[in-house]
Amino acid sequence: DAEITQSPRHKITETGRQVTLACHQTWNHNNMFWYRQDLGHGLRLIHYSYGVHDTNKGEVSDGYSVSRSNTEDLPLTLESAASSQTSVYFCASSAGNQPQHFGDGTRLSIL
Amino acid sequence: AQRVTQPEKLLSVFKGAPVELKCNYSYSGSPELFWYVQYSRQRLQLLLRHISRESIKGFTADLNKGETSFHLKKPFAQEEDSAMYYCALRSFNNDMRFGAGTRLTVKP
Repeated sequence: DAEITQSPRHKITETGRQVTLACHQTWNHNNMFWYRQDLGHGLRLIHYSYGVHDTNKGEVSDGYSVSRSNTEDLPLTLESAASSQTSVYFCASSAGNQPQHFGDGTRLSIL
Repeated sequence: AQRVTQPEKLLSVFKGAPVELKCNYSYSGSPELFWYVQYSRQRLQLLLRHISRESIKGFTADLNKGETSFHLKKPFAQEEDSAMYYCALRSFNNDMRFGAGTRLTVKP
């Protein structure tokens, strides 16, 4: 069955380190998204992509970057992790104007 | 700018009681609205989208453009409905904005 997977599920790191969260989907969806989920804020869009080599900034993109070298993957990189980036991160994908399918999330703690 | 407001962070009802989770939005264009549900320790799942006008797990939601609302309703809540519910709005460029969420607890 087609799926969207995120790795790792949990990560603890230190401030200042570079961190990359993986998102892989086998739906062959063109659209991929990264969100962070914080209490009181719901889900906020970080970056999104409509296809290979396309990336766009979302609502809270500062301190994050993405790259889309193929259809299946949209890794999210924190260039220099900050404690304010401690959160649960969700990846999602969709085809055209269809609803988004979400991954299981990555819980990231920055100490 | 588009915005989604869920005024209740927490909502608690007894089993069998009606439940309504409120969602209001602001958007200058023609919105597409969704309800997503997140059960404990699970991923977000699509519950409803307004264009399909269907009932899922007994839940319904009607888009009221005059009141800019998309409230989620169920006539008889069940314990298994306890979850986090998110209202979301998608604009013409596929930008999705979520509300802050409402945690529903259905007590026995």
